[in-house]
Amino acid sequence: DQQVKQNSPSLSVQEGRISILNCDYTNSMFDYFLWYKKYPAEGPTFLISISSIKDKNEDGRFTVFLNKSAKHLSLHIVPSQPGDSAVYFCAASENTGFQKLVFGTGTRLLVSP
Amino acid sequence: NAGVTQTPKFQVLKTGQSMTLQCAQDMNHEYMSWYRQDPGMGLRLIHYSVGAGITDQGEVPNGYNVSRSTTEDFPLRLLSAAPSQTSVYFCASSYLTPGGYEQYFGPGTRLTVT
Repeated sequence: DQQVKQNSPSLSVQEGRISILNCDYTNSMFDYFLWYKKYPAEGPTFLISISSIKDKNEDGRFTVFLNKSAKHLSLHIVPSQPGDSAVYFCAASENTGFQKLVFGTGTRLLVSP
Repeated sequence: NAGVTQTPKFQVLKTGQSMTLQCAQDMNHEYMSWYRQDPGMGLRLIHYSVGAGITDQGEVPNGYNVSRSTTEDFPLRLLSAAPSQTSVYFCASSYLTPGGYEQYFGPGTRLTVT
């Protein structure tokens, strides 16, 4: 069973517009959520995170929103840039001491000029 | 700092062969882990270590062994390769920040088992 789901395999956006990537989870024990960005032939790189005590975290052009009641989080990128084109993974963990991440399947974002 | 390095980048094995995927980090991070990524799936945790001499199983540990004799190195051993182990393998190291654990990933090893 997929505990972390990214139901959109791909998303296309024009440069300068907002990109919204969505993620749903089923495990109510998850209390720490992260977004990673991955370019081809590279490892994932950390983008932004949020703990369950917050509903929003912002870092420059990237904002993550968490809706605990709906078990849903989203990543907003404003404004989108062509360099943002990559695969974005949502990940979650329980607060069990070591961060054992559970990843979603990823959303491929294409930002066109 | 080189960060997290993985060797080899590519490897082809025959069924039943054994090999070791190397992972090293120079950031003095306590925590290290191995993930595999299969097409259409997210990364899945194989094994992890919370310090030298301490390892534990993740979500998909079968067919893999690990050891952690130093802080820097965390090799992953395939004892008898199977086609189901064809995947891209990522090693990560992490440390605890006030906001939570921050994980740094290596570039990956693409393994094909025929």
